[in-house]
Amino acid sequence: GENVEQHPSTLSVQEGDSAVIKCTYSDSASNYFPWYKQELGKRPQLIIDIRSNVGEKKDQRIAVTLNKTAKHFSLHITETQPEDSAVYFCAASLMTSGYSTLTFGKGTMLLVSP
Amino acid sequence: NAGVTQTPKFRVLKTGQSMTLLCAQDMNHEYMYWYRQDPGMGLRLIHYSVGEGTTAKGEVPDGYNVSRLKKQNFLLGLESAAPSQTSVYFCASRNHLDEQYFGPGTRLTVT
Repeated sequence: GENVEQHPSTLSVQEGDSAVIKCTYSDSASNYFPWYKQELGKRPQLIIDIRSNVGEKKDQRIAVTLNKTAKHFSLHITETQPEDSAVYFCAASLMTSGYSTLTFGKGTMLLVSP
Repeated sequence: NAGVTQTPKFRVLKTGQSMTLLCAQDMNHEYMYWYRQDPGMGLRLIHYSVGEGTTAKGEVPDGYNVSRLKKQNFLLGLESAAPSQTSVYFCASRNHLDEQYFGPGTRLTVT
């Protein structure tokens, strides 16, 4: 089955800096890579996703890049703000049918200091 | 449009007791999932359903059962709770774009 590794486990940045979280996956057939943000005590929320036919996707201050050859994908947050502080999870899946399921990384705790 | 809801929000059980967690979604999604979240372990899939009347095992199914009698509801049961089942349980449903939406979670403690 799929295996997803996520690094780093914790990341501290100053407000305004950029933050990068990296994930690797094991199944070269995986084709869907979402990122979730989970604030303390809250539910995970989808913030951005990318599919294997795209190399990069942006949405305002966040972007995701995908390198299929190396089997890794990354989340980039620019101009970080204190409200970006949360745990971020990457996931991967081969989405071909209803029986497709997501495999999650173990998460990265991002702390943005004012 | 409430999205995905879960009941109860919190529960404390004694070892050996049973309980059922209820997940409901009003988005008409076919696919629904139960995850557990433990510190440092991310989200692990317990069971899932691809439609009314169907269920399938995920990564960590032992000690849990599920039922999907109605499309909008997905129930997770613990027949004989164990301390190892202390966790936060999240339900999710998935739309046709593969996007999963999570419920608010249930914090379960087994003593």
